[in-house]
Amino acid sequence: GNSVTQMEGPVTLSEEAFLTINCTYTATGYPSLFWYVQYPGEGLQLLLKATKADDKGSNKGFEATYRKETTSFHLEKGSVQVSDSAVYFCALRGNTPLVFGKGTRLSVIA
Amino acid sequence: EAQVTQNPRYLITVTGKKLTVTCSQNMNHEYMSWYRQDPGLGLRQIYYSMNVEVTDKGDVPEGYKVSRKEKRNFPLILESPSPNQTSLYFCASSLFSGRADTQYFGPGTRLTVL
Repeated sequence: GNSVTQMEGPVTLSEEAFLTINCTYTATGYPSLFWYVQYPGEGLQLLLKATKADDKGSNKGFEATYRKETTSFHLEKGSVQVSDSAVYFCALRGNTPLVFGKGTRLSVIA
Repeated sequence: EAQVTQNPRYLITVTGKKLTVTCSQNMNHEYMSWYRQDPGLGLRQIYYSMNVEVTDKGDVPEGYKVSRKEKRNFPLILESPSPNQTSLYFCASSLFSGRADTQYFGPGTRLTVL
């Protein structure tokens, strides 16, 4: 079945550091890929998405490119801020309901 | 404002006492879903609904019931809660169930079963 694997956390970075959170997937067919973010005490918000191979999703300085050849959708940001501290979930949606990775907690320190 | 609302946000109850968590969306979405979030396990789907009167089991449906009598509402029912249902619950909705449809999440309900 479909599955998502993302890097274990927690990840701790200093402000202005470069961020990469790895995400790989297994799926049949051609799923769409998503990154959701969960700020402390809140629900999940869509951060970005990509619906086909080579698409790049971007939002709030975050980017991720749908790589079919490596079945990956890594999240990147060039310069993180303290306000980016949150839990990040990679997810896919194909012919099945949305499937999530286990989440990666990011802490950014000033 | 387009949103998914859940009530209550926090609930402490005792084993065996029936409870309902309400979920409502104002976006005229066809698809609605319930998830539970547990440390180390991420989000797992409990039940989903493709449309009014159409519901189906997700990955972890045991101990839960749902109903979809109106498009906007999708309540989650725990007829006899047990401590292993202590969790953070999220309702979500999307326009349809297509692969490109974005799911929008409610703020969550933190349930503790003693």
